[in-house]
Amino acid sequence: GAVVSQHPSRVICKSGTSVKIECRSLDFQATTMFWYRQFPKQSLMLMATSNEGSKATYEQGVEKDKFLINHASLTLSTLTVTSAHPEDSSFYICSALGDGSYNSPLHFGNGTRLTVT
Amino acid sequence: SQKIEQNSEALNIQEGKTATLTCNYTNYSPAYLQWYRQDPGRGPVFLLLIRENEKEKRKERLKVTFDTTLKQSLFHITASQPADSATYLCALGGMDSSYKLIFGSGTRLLVRP
Repeated sequence: GAVVSQHPSRVICKSGTSVKIECRSLDFQATTMFWYRQFPKQSLMLMATSNEGSKATYEQGVEKDKFLINHASLTLSTLTVTSAHPEDSSFYICSALGDGSYNSPLHFGNGTRLTVT
Repeated sequence: SQKIEQNSEALNIQEGKTATLTCNYTNYSPAYLQWYRQDPGRGPVFLLLIRENEKEKRKERLKVTFDTTLKQSLFHITASQPADSATYLCALGGMDSSYKLIFGSGTRLLVRP
């Protein structure tokens, strides 16, 4: 149980275009999802907290107009990288809170490798 | 400043030995700490949770300790196997009554057959 599916797994796009990444909880409802970004051999950096039916909460330094997050249902959150640039190339990973209790583990998708040319 | 430190150098051990990984933190007051395993190109997978009022947790071959005075957690894998080779991440939670986890950069473990 507690499977999170993330698509696409890899995407290559041209500079200036937008890319949408989907994160779905397959067998549970996730009122809260998180979006992380990871550079090679570095930590997962939290970008934003996505709450179903409300606006996402962004971490300091993350441009909300560049990284659009929508959490329209209890099983789907999307991250859209708008007007992508080469410096946006990274590994993006979503996660969903399990049973919603305070110290629940996170269930992660398998990430999306974004390359902007 | 706030920091979570995990040994950036890979830990290379012989199969059958115990692997011990360290997570130290500064200027955080976590209510709990979690350990995750991450394989290359994949998302992390949850392993163990330990709360601030717990000193030790075990699960099969895994053991985690949590010392809030030293601000340190140790993660042990006994009878290590080549399949245990992966990057192990510690994550601090409960700092501000939110669900957010703050991750360390991980330590890569290599278990030689």
